[in-house]
Formats: sequence, structure tokens, C-alpha cells
Amino acid sequence: GAGVSQSPSNKVTEKGKDVELRCDPISGHTALYWYRQSLGQGLEFLIYFQGNSAPDKSGLPSDRFSAERTGGSVSTLTIQRTQQEDSAVYLCASSLESWGPKDFGEGSWLTVV
Amino acid sequence: QKEVEQNSGPLSVPEGAIASLNCTYSDRGSQSFFWYRQYSGKSPELIMSIYSNGDKEDGRFTAQLNKASQYVSLLIRDSQPSDSATYLCAVNSGAGSYQLTFGKGTKLSVIP
Repeated sequence: GAGVSQSPSNKVTEKGKDVELRCDPISGHTALYWYRQSLGQGLEFLIYFQGNSAPDKSGLPSDRFSAERTGGSVSTLTIQRTQQEDSAVYLCASSLESWGPKDFGEGSWLTVV
Repeated sequence: QKEVEQNSGPLSVPEGAIASLNCTYSDRGSQSFFWYRQYSGKSPELIMSIYSNGDKEDGRFTAQLNKASQYVSLLIRDSQPSDSATYLCAVNSGAGSYQLTFGKGTKLSVIP
């Protein structure tokens, strides 16, 4: 079946511009996670959605970052006024259980120039 | 601050040998432990999970957990060149906790 789908796969943007990253989880998966992976670094937790519950936004690095999940399915991560330190791979994952990310998408590679 | 430590490598082993990957964690409350494999330029994929002290085997992979020593390891038997990847250790804390803390990974190279 279809896995986790992310778009765009690559995005180059100018410093100060806003970007939107999209994640389409596996159908039926209620848990959705966003992680960030910078070059040579471990995965950094950003935000977690579970069903219709309020999301856990505790990992968002600044108020320039926000995310929403519509209808318990597709999620959008928005970064406003991008900075060079935002350059990273943004990974979305979904799972049936709530213990952590199981199925990852291929990621959105963001480069801020 | 919760930390998960791994040797960055690269760890080089000959084809057919046993590769041993190690991970230590700081949070004594951690209850669940995971190993992910990440090929270069690709996203992580879950390969093993372990929750109780001792060994857990799945094919050529064996995860070992020692909570007293705050240590978890992954053994890969009969290593193949296709096992060459970065292996990420991840830990969560407490029942129902979904926030995994990831190590930076160990790069494994299996030499034909």
C-alpha cells in the first residue's frame, strides 16, 4: 500500500520567505510526527498529532514554526521568515500506535539561501 | 536533558562478520528502545524494538538491553554489504511516551 508521502521533496528558498511542507500519512494512522534532521545531527522532534487531540508542539524551535493537521489526515508544517539555520531535512512519520514514529516519508529537503 | 550517545564510526567490518553497534542513554526512566537503519540520502526505517532486559532476536539482528547499565546494543550477524548504513538508536521515556530521543547514529561499512 501507499506509504507516507511528503512534498515538496526539495525546496530552495530565500532567507525571509515562508515555506509550507506537506505530509500525507498512511491511511488509518492516527499518530503523525514531524522531525527535523540537520547534517550530521540526530533527529529532532518537532510536533506530534494524535487523532483529534491537541497537538504536542513542545519541540517547535521558535514561533516561526507552526503545523496543522486537517481532518485527522494531511498535515502541513509552515516555517515563516526562513533563516539559514532552518536548512535541514524535514521528516514526517505516521503510526497506528502512540509510542513513536514507525513509517517515515522520504522527507522534504529544505535549503535556505 | 535526555541524551542518547552512539559512536559516530565509521565502523568497518568484513562481509560475514558480526557487527556490534552500541548505545547508551541518560534517562533511567526510559522504557522502550528502538533501532532504525538509515541509508545515505534516505529516511530512517525501523528494524528492531526492545522493551525488556536481555536479548531479542529477529533474523540476523539481535538487540540487547541492560537497563541497569543504561545500555542497548544491536548485533548484526553474517554482515552483508547491503547492511552498510547509519544505525540510529532511539529511546522513549515512560509508558505512553511518544517522544523519542535519537542518537546521532553509527555509520556501518561492510567490506566485501
